[in-house]
Amino acid sequence: DVVLTQTPPTLSATIGQSVSISCRSSQSLLHSNGNTYLHWLLQRPGQSPQLLIYLVSRLESGVPNRFSGSGSGTDFTLKISGVEAEDLGVYYCVQGTHAPWTFGGGTKLELK
Amino acid sequence: QVQLKESGPVLVQASETLSLTCTVSGFSLTNYGVIWVRQPPGKGLEWMGIIWRNGNTDYNSALKSRLSINRDTSKSQVFLKMNSLQTDDTAIYYCTRGFHFDYWGQGVMVTVSS
Repeated sequence: DVVLTQTPPTLSATIGQSVSISCRSSQSLLHSNGNTYLHWLLQRPGQSPQLLIYLVSRLESGVPNRFSGSGSGTDFTLKISGVEAEDLGVYYCVQGTHAPWTFGGGTKLELK
Repeated sequence: QVQLKESGPVLVQASETLSLTCTVSGFSLTNYGVIWVRQPPGKGLEWMGIIWRNGNTDYNSALKSRLSINRDTSKSQVFLKMNSLQTDDTAIYYCTRGFHFDYWGQGVMVTVSS
């Protein structure tokens, strides 16, 4: 199974600070159809997860454009350009290229 | 609008079978897959399996021997069954729309009692 390693596990930030989260895969997530099925989710405390970014870099409708995704192959990054209070929670990457699909271990974003 | 809602028992005895239903609205199961995800208390997300829009399924390797996912397209329902439950199967169980996890249910907390 594909292993996704997220770093750091915990991230402390001040409001307005820009931060990045890394997601590294144990194998390439480039599908034979040319798509890379790597997505980013945010789970706020007590809530269901929500989709932020899909297919590496595509911003889900309604998600603020301070969120951006990049990467290819095995290395991917989620960047938040100017953290806001509503961004606190746990961020997960998830891959859908190789069955079974797998999640990263999560990165908890908290206020410094 | 798109909605997913999980339902099922909140307390199950160890060694028994868990049966959950995900009822969807606002889209057709013949156009989208549905994924089951679970989250033990205080832990991360675990992908359990998917039923694709064509009815095929894929399962988490660790759960494959005791997990099955089926559907009734006429009722817009997806069913999860998992047998031989243990206490570490205690978790919130979510269904979400595939491919991209763009809509989620509110989840159902299932406790497995010994």
